[in-house]
Amino acid sequence: AQKVTQAQTEISVVEKEDVTLDCVYETRDTTYYLFWYKQPPSGELVFLIRRNSFDEQNEISGRYSWNFQKSTSSFNFTITASQVVDSAVYFCAPDKAAGNKLTFGGGTRVLVKP
Amino acid sequence: SAVISQKPSRDICQRGTSLTIQCQVDSQVTMMFWYRQQPGQSLTLIATANQGSEATYESGFVIDKFPISRPNLTFSTLTVSNMSPEDSSIYLCSVERPLGSGEQYFGPGTRLTVT
Repeated sequence: AQKVTQAQTEISVVEKEDVTLDCVYETRDTTYYLFWYKQPPSGELVFLIRRNSFDEQNEISGRYSWNFQKSTSSFNFTITASQVVDSAVYFCAPDKAAGNKLTFGGGTRVLVKP
Repeated sequence: SAVISQKPSRDICQRGTSLTIQCQVDSQVTMMFWYRQQPGQSLTLIATANQGSEATYESGFVIDKFPISRPNLTFSTLTVSNMSPEDSSIYLCSVERPLGSGEQYFGPGTRLTVT
């Protein structure tokens, strides 16, 4: 079974500040995916990024970047130059590569103030 | 990505009744998933629905309480049976797109309140 810990329950920042969301996971699978999803106040769940467990290269996509450290089972997510529209709950979710069963963390609520 | 719609978007129901939630996808998909999000909580997988076979339920969820249909590759329903206030949640369906990618796209959710 997989377990996901998002230790930060809520983060409040002022617009243009960077925000880093922590995610630590436990899994017995040797191959798996890692995801970040965003849930704005409207409620829909928005896919943000996916990472394969065998690829530890960190990447940047626009204002989003992520830091995957397999050795410490962490998959942190950073929003650079935050905007008010980034206010949402962010979920980290590992997935068995062949099972397609997302296990969601408890979520981190991000509040970006103007 | 995928275009996914759910009906109804929200409903208020009395305890003891049942509600069927529909999920429609804009193109054929192999697997569809149903999740529950209780108020202020994270998402929990209820079951995986494949066309032509019975749904596979996760621990803590049973077919009698949450019967699922998957009549074709673009449609699925989830029924919440004999509802109680504890069933008040957002129910979301999702699909994997493209097949084998692991990327799941979610419908807008159905917000259920049981009184």
